[in-house]
Amino acid sequence: GEDVEQSLFLSVREGDSSVINCTYTDSSSTYLYWYKQEPGAGLQLLTYIFSNMDMKQDQRLTVLLNKKDKHLSLRIADTQTGDSAIYFCAESTTGGGADGLTFGKGTHLIIQP
Amino acid sequence: DTGVSQDPRHKITKRGQNVTFRCDPISEHNRLYWYRQTLGQGPEFLTYFQNEAQLEKSRLLSDRFSAERPKGSFSTLEIQRTEQGDSAMYLCASSWRTGMNTEAFFGQGTRLTVV
Repeated sequence: GEDVEQSLFLSVREGDSSVINCTYTDSSSTYLYWYKQEPGAGLQLLTYIFSNMDMKQDQRLTVLLNKKDKHLSLRIADTQTGDSAIYFCAESTTGGGADGLTFGKGTHLIIQP
Repeated sequence: DTGVSQDPRHKITKRGQNVTFRCDPISEHNRLYWYRQTLGQGPEFLTYFQNEAQLEKSRLLSDRFSAERPKGSFSTLEIQRTEQGDSAMYLCASSWRTGMNTEAFFGQGTRLTVV
């Protein structure tokens, strides 16, 4: 079945880059997503990448996809205290919207001053 | 537009009681989704609607769960005879599906505690 794995915690110093990693098992995944969840809040879509792309950059965010290894990463440049949150990797085989998304357990990003 | 709205934000109920949650999507969004998130886990897909039609249901959606979207606008999720294992955050999301990929917007969720 489908499975998405992430490490549970990542601690970085303010101003450094954060790299959050994710692996998935479904080779038919068409879209891969990164969501951010702050305490008491819903999920915010940060970025997504289509499976035929290797990289996508959006301001401080860079997504890298290694389809052969089924590995996805999210790099946050110049990490700020406001980036402290849980980051979820998710994959979809249907493409579009939020139907049938499979999420990882989330990575807690902790920012050290 | 204020985004996806869910009501109530918190619900405490006794085991065996029925509960109903409401989700108001972003206006004119034709797709509406329900997810469940338990503590320390990522959200799990439950079901989704396109307009008023329920197109897919996860095996997580037992017979005690029912979702409706009667007029293709707001949706309700009812849980009958609640069990302690139903305690979770219930998230609603909506999107406008026209092409291959469109962003889904999530609400803040309804946190259910069954005691």
